[in-house]
Amino acid sequence: TQLLEQSPQFLSIQEGENLTVYCNSSSVFSSLQWYRQEPGEGPVLLVTVVTGGEVKKLKRLTFQFGDARKDSSLHITAAQPGDTGLYLCAGGVLLAGSARQLTFGSGTQLTVLP
Amino acid sequence: EPEVTQTPSHQVTQMGQEVILRCVPISNHLYFYWYRQILGQKVEFLVSFYNNEISEKSEIFDDQFSVERPDGSNFTLKIRSTKLEDSAMYFCASLTEGLAGELFFGEGSRLTVL
Repeated sequence: TQLLEQSPQFLSIQEGENLTVYCNSSSVFSSLQWYRQEPGEGPVLLVTVVTGGEVKKLKRLTFQFGDARKDSSLHITAAQPGDTGLYLCAGGVLLAGSARQLTFGSGTQLTVLP
Repeated sequence: EPEVTQTPSHQVTQMGQEVILRCVPISNHLYFYWYRQILGQKVEFLVSFYNNEISEKSEIFDDQFSVERPDGSNFTLKIRSTKLEDSAMYFCASLTEGLAGELFFGEGSRLTVL
């Protein structure tokens, strides 16, 4: 069974601060995705990384996939209250054909205070 | 923008009753999934479905669960005899093809078993 550990589990910061969320596993993944989930809604994809060492930027969010494709980080610069939410990482493993199973981390609940 | 739709949004049932959760995936997607999320816990993979058959299932997906795509558009999850521990948010998802394909999630069906 592949496991993804996310840290921290909870994070409360002031508007304007920077933060990093970590996603670690002992398993290698074909791809790593980050999702954001609002209460009562389904996860919404933020980014997919597939190459070891890959870095992707989405406005104030920077995502990195570890060289060994076992870990990832999400860095938010100058956090805003609108960034508040549950951030989930998910490792993808190819199944038969191109079907893919995602293993989700336990999530990081981010609260940005104005 | 195409989306995955799920019904019902919330269902309350008595223990031992059968429940069917319905999903309409995005029309040109070929891979379909059910995930569940117990309140306060991580998103868990249940089953993946491709070419009218199950391609992968987790240990959660026991004999009480079944999936089918009866008419080429709906994708259903049936729980034969619900238990209290089946209470959760159930998410349907469909996948664009490829390693970096985006998994689109529905908004979920909340199942409460009394």
